[in-house]
This record gives sequence, C-alpha cells and structure tokens, in this order.
Amino acid sequence: SQQGEEDPQALSIQEGENATMNCSYKTSINNLQWYRQNSGRGLVHLILIRSNEREKHSGRLRVTLDTSKKSSSLLITASRAADTASYFCATDARENTDKLIFGTGTRLQVFP
Amino acid sequence: DGGITQSPKYLFRKEGQNVTLSCEQNLNHDAMYWYRQDPGQGLRLIYYSQIVNDFQKGDIAEGYSVSREKKESFPLTVTSAQKNPTAFYLCASRGGRQGGTRLFFGSGTQLSVL
Repeated sequence: SQQGEEDPQALSIQEGENATMNCSYKTSINNLQWYRQNSGRGLVHLILIRSNEREKHSGRLRVTLDTSKKSSSLLITASRAADTASYFCATDARENTDKLIFGTGTRLQVFP
Repeated sequence: DGGITQSPKYLFRKEGQNVTLSCEQNLNHDAMYWYRQDPGQGLRLIYYSQIVNDFQKGDIAEGYSVSREKKESFPLTVTSAQKNPTAFYLCASRGGRQGGTRLFFGSGTQLSVL
C-alpha cells in the first residue's frame, strides 16, 4: 500500500511563480523525504526532514512537516522550466525503518 | 563512476516467459530495493534486501522473485505468474540498515509484453 497521497495530482504554472505540493501520510514516521523524477528516468533525492524538524530549506526548496496532521509540503520558489518533473514524498515508517514508502506524486509543468 | 546500474533499458516478454532485470551498485550499500511504477502512478515496493542472502517481500511481491548472493547485485525475475508485468521497474540502494538515509536510483527498465 502507498503510505503517502499527494495533492494536487498535477500542477501547471508560469516560470517565476511558486509551486506548492502537499503530501499526507498514514502512520507515524521517523523522517520524510522528497524526490524528483524526470519523465522515463530514475528518481533523484531532493531533501530529507526528520520527524523532530518543522521546516527545512535547500536552495529554492522549502519543506515543512506537521506530524500532528501527518502532512508535509514542498515549496519551489521562482520556478524554472527545468523544474518540470514529477515530485514524490517518501516516508520511513516508525515501525519498520527498513522500508521507504512513496506517495502518488505531483506532476509539475512549468511554462516558459 | 559510483552509482547504480540497471539493464536492459527496455525489455520485452513473451507470454509464459520469465525475464530477469539486472541491478548492480558500486556504492557499497547494504540495502537494495525494487519498485514498480505504472504510468502516471507512484512507486510500489516489490522486494527489498538489507543484507546479503536475505530479502523481504514488499507490498506487491506476487509474481516476482529476487536473489541477493552478492552485496552489489540484486536481480529481479518477473515470472510467468505475473499476469500484468508491463511497467517501469526501478532499482534503488541506500547505506545503513536503519532508515534516515536517502535512496540512490538506477535509470530504470521498461518492461513490455509482446
């Protein structure tokens, strides 16, 4: 079963705008990660946030985590056409840290 | 070059045939994973292995088999029992037995049925 559900399923914006993607999960976690996938390629790790952290930044990326609501958001600021990709959240469940379970993904299209 | 290599990039299976997807890593990672991705969908876990000669079923293991005879290799066999094998298959690895580390992915194998 998939641990995470992402929202929206698809998002289209213009270059320069901000893109926000949300992830909800079901069980208690140790950490949450975000990955990016270009069409037909493998996934690339973007950022990891631990369960005791509330916010983390990396370049144009900002991730928040609300463990009480079992949700996370990924914000990409000043988007570029090269940001066009699918974005997935993934969680290490507290009861089994060996498994990393992925969400359903958000397809982001950034128009020049 | 350090990384994780999947082959072939494209694979075709005939009815009733078993096919094996290769996954090799030179990152010295203990843990390796196989995921299946259907068009426009997320990743679903097939099998994973934390150590040589040991592996566990994921959420959709039926119709698949794996082996982990060497640390650097984790091949996936799609058997004839898997009735809907057409999908994009992704192999990944990470260091350490506990969670909290990132996954490194291969570039994937697209499997189609003839």
